[in-house]
Amino acid sequence: QSALTQPASVSGSPGQSITISCTGTSSDVGNYNHVSWYQQHPGKAPKVMIFGVTIRPSGVSTRFSGSKSGNTASLTISGLQAEDEADYYCSSYTTGGTPYVFGTGTKVTVL
Amino acid sequence: QVQLQESGPGLVKPSETLSLSCSVSGGSISGYSWSWIRQPPGKGLDWIGYFSYNGDTDYNPSLKSRVTISVAASENKFSLRLSSVTAADTATYYCAREGRFGEFDYWGQGTPVTVSS
Repeated sequence: QSALTQPASVSGSPGQSITISCTGTSSDVGNYNHVSWYQQHPGKAPKVMIFGVTIRPSGVSTRFSGSKSGNTASLTISGLQAEDEADYYCSSYTTGGTPYVFGTGTKVTVL
Repeated sequence: QVQLQESGPGLVKPSETLSLSCSVSGGSISGYSWSWIRQPPGKGLDWIGYFSYNGDTDYNPSLKSRVTISVAASENKFSLRLSSVTAADTATYYCAREGRFGEFDYWGQGTPVTVSS
């Protein structure tokens, strides 16, 4: 099972909006609404920011939003803040060899 | 609030077996699926396997011949055993709970494991 494809890095200035893509196939992202996004700060465990493609867990800022079109899911961070600088990973159910597959990860830099 | 805590040795010799436990507090282990996920230094997340809410287990095919995940429901903990380890198994190992939409909603803090003689 190949990892979902994410850009290696995305950057933006404070207050701007950025979007991270997560491209899979019809066996994973395109076939399920079980897409989630995780934020990971250095030395910390990942934290779920979005699940079910668009659902924001309680306590997660409304600046984070998710969407999906075909085989590609996206995470948008609006009003970028310094604290958003972290690595971000997507994940999806899959019909491949494993029930879950993660993305390759994206490093978000706040300029 | 559900909390997960990994425990186990931080150093394992090549060809030996890595054994980790994950203690769950603040909620029951029953009725959920519980996974082990690892992250090699500087790399991404890799799903190792899980113990499903219905009692099934499933493993990453790349590790299947070496992995065993078991649950001690009475102790509210689950465990990982990875045999015949090599340097490629050096990683931070996380335990995590699967939520209702396939997301990993609760994670342990992670435990780093180094494979070295």
